Amino acid sequence: NAGVTQTPKFRVLKTGQSMTLLCAQDMNHEYMYWYRQDPGMGLRLIHYSVGEGTTAKGEVPDGYNVSRLKKQNFLLGLESAAPSQTSVYFCASSYLRDRGAGANVLTFGAGSRLTVL
Amino acid sequence: AQSVTQLGSHVSVSEGALVLLRCNYSSSVPPYLFWYVQYPNQGLQLLLKYTTGATLVKGINGFEAEFKKSETSFHLTKPSAHMSDAAEYFCAVSGALHDKVIFGPGTSLSVIP
Repeated sequence: NAGVTQTPKFRVLKTGQSMTLLCAQDMNHEYMYWYRQDPGMGLRLIHYSVGEGTTAKGEVPDGYNVSRLKKQNFLLGLESAAPSQTSVYFCASSYLRDRGAGANVLTFGAGSRLTVL
Repeated sequence: AQSVTQLGSHVSVSEGALVLLRCNYSSSVPPYLFWYVQYPNQGLQLLLKYTTGATLVKGINGFEAEFKKSETSFHLTKPSAHMSDAAEYFCAVSGALHDKVIFGPGTSLSVIP
């Protein structure tokens, strides 16, 4: 199994440009998440989804949009990139809580490093 | 709402010494608690988790953590540090009614030969 795959792995943008990060999982997980990781800040939740067609805001949603049109995919969009969005972005997925030993355990992708100039 | 604090952004131990990484949480409902590890240039992977039942939880690579409700703590320990333990460690919490997982700021562990 591939697990959680993020594309692209690296991207450099100019201020004001737009882009989309794609996350794909092949584990039939219901939940999917987007986090950003910044030095000294840990991982902060941007948006998450509890199922196909649903999304919800996390801790730091401003400047980002998401869509979950298919259960296996979760897209993170930046409409007008800003230098403050320079970060490493991680996608993760998990089963629903009541799935026994695997409940609520996150499987992470390898990360996408975004630089906004 | 849930939150996590980790005391010490950086911890150094000698090889063979005890590892103790501290985590305190805040939750309005019975929490699910996790420790994740991140090796350089990689994603995070689960070390161990507490859901219900036994408060002393054993994980991979010899790590364990104890859930102490009265202290709202979930500290991570390992009796003897190995060079391969050098990594970033994250404590995380999830509430029973809210499934989003909230992470602490992380603790970077260095192991000195």
